[in-house]
Parts: sequence; C-alpha cells; structure tokens
Amino acid sequence: EIVLTQSPDTLSLSPGERATLSCRASRRVSSSYLAWYQQKPGQAPRLLIYAASTRATGIPDRFTGGGSGTDFTLAINTLEPEDFAVYHCQLFGDSLTFGGGTKVEIK
Amino acid sequence: QVHLVQSGPEVKRPGSSVRVSCKASGGSFTSYSINWVRQAPGEGLEWMGGILPILGTTNYPQKFQGRVTITADRSTSTAYMELTHLRSDDTAVYHCVRGVDAYNFGPNYHWGQGTLVTVSS
Repeated sequence: EIVLTQSPDTLSLSPGERATLSCRASRRVSSSYLAWYQQKPGQAPRLLIYAASTRATGIPDRFTGGGSGTDFTLAINTLEPEDFAVYHCQLFGDSLTFGGGTKVEIK
Repeated sequence: QVHLVQSGPEVKRPGSSVRVSCKASGGSFTSYSINWVRQAPGEGLEWMGGILPILGTTNYPQKFQGRVTITADRSTSTAYMELTHLRSDDTAVYHCVRGVDAYNFGPNYHWGQGTLVTVSS
C-alpha cells in the first residue's frame, strides 16, 4: 500500500506570497495518477490538478503542479484571499489514496 | 449538469449499521465510477471503497473489507454505502464521489454534499 505524506502540516503566509506544498509517495508512482484538491471549511474538496501538472477546468493559472517519481509539488503564485484553505494530494486509479493535507493559513 | 444528492444525517448506536444513499443525475450512471470518501472532524480524507457500475465490481481498502458494502442500482441511478459494526470513531461526514470515467476511481470532479453520521451511545 502506497502512503502519501504531505508537508508541511500548516503553512502561514500573507496574501501575495507564494506557497509551495509537498506530497511524497512511499514508493515511485506514475505522475499520470497524481491529483491535488482544495478544500474550504464546510465544503467538499475541489479538483485543482490531475496528472500531476494539468489544471482542471476553471482553475486559475496561479496554481501549478509538478514533480515525478516520489516527490510532487503544488505551487500557488501570488496567494489570493480565497486560496487560504486545506490542500490534499491524491493517488488514483483502481483505488484512491489521500495525503494528510496541508493547511494554508493567513499569517 | 452533474448532481450527487445524498441522504440525510444519521445518529446511530455503537454496534449498529448505517446505509447512506447517493442519487446521481447528469450523464449516464454507468459511465462513471462511484466512490465513498469520509472525513472525521478535523481529520483528512479517507477512501472507503468504490464501485464500477458498468461492471458491477467493487474495490475496498483492507481497512474496511468485511465492514463496508457498496452497491449501485442502475434502475434508479443510486449508489449505496453500508457500514456495519459502527464505533464512535466512525463519526464523520461521508461523501459519494464520482470518478471521471467508467473504469477508474479518480480523479474526482464531482462530490456529493456529504452525510454526517454520528455514532454515539
């Protein structure tokens, strides 16, 4: 069973700054099956990125996914007020595996 | 437009069972997988299993095998998740989640509104 570890647990930043979130897999995975989600309080997650770097429909280009093998990143350029949320990475295919999440909070 | 509408909140006693429904509209029911993902208060997302309605096959993580049953009724475009032998740590919001095609469980654009299941004596 592959485990996804996200870091840091919490990222404290100011609007306008850049956020870099990490998702590490316990063994090598195909980047085709790596996704990122944003979740705000009281809401269901929203798909941001799939195939490690492809933005989902309607996602602004300040969100950028990257990485391969065991190490993947989500970068958010120029944080907007609405970007402060929890971010989850996911491995999908014939099952689903989620990381523990990273909270991006206002400093 | 895709909608996944779940049944309402439940309060259950430890040791009992719960069944949550998820009615899908928008698109062919058999063209997409259906998953169940739960989130305990203040915790992360946890996959409980999924079903491929086109094949009628299911997949469950080892943690939930024997305790979770996911079914799909093609005639009503409704998926169900039953969880047995409930414990207090099963208290969570349970989401049905649609996959992007018939044969893969993700990625996931469409999520149901969530059903709060509270397990308490």
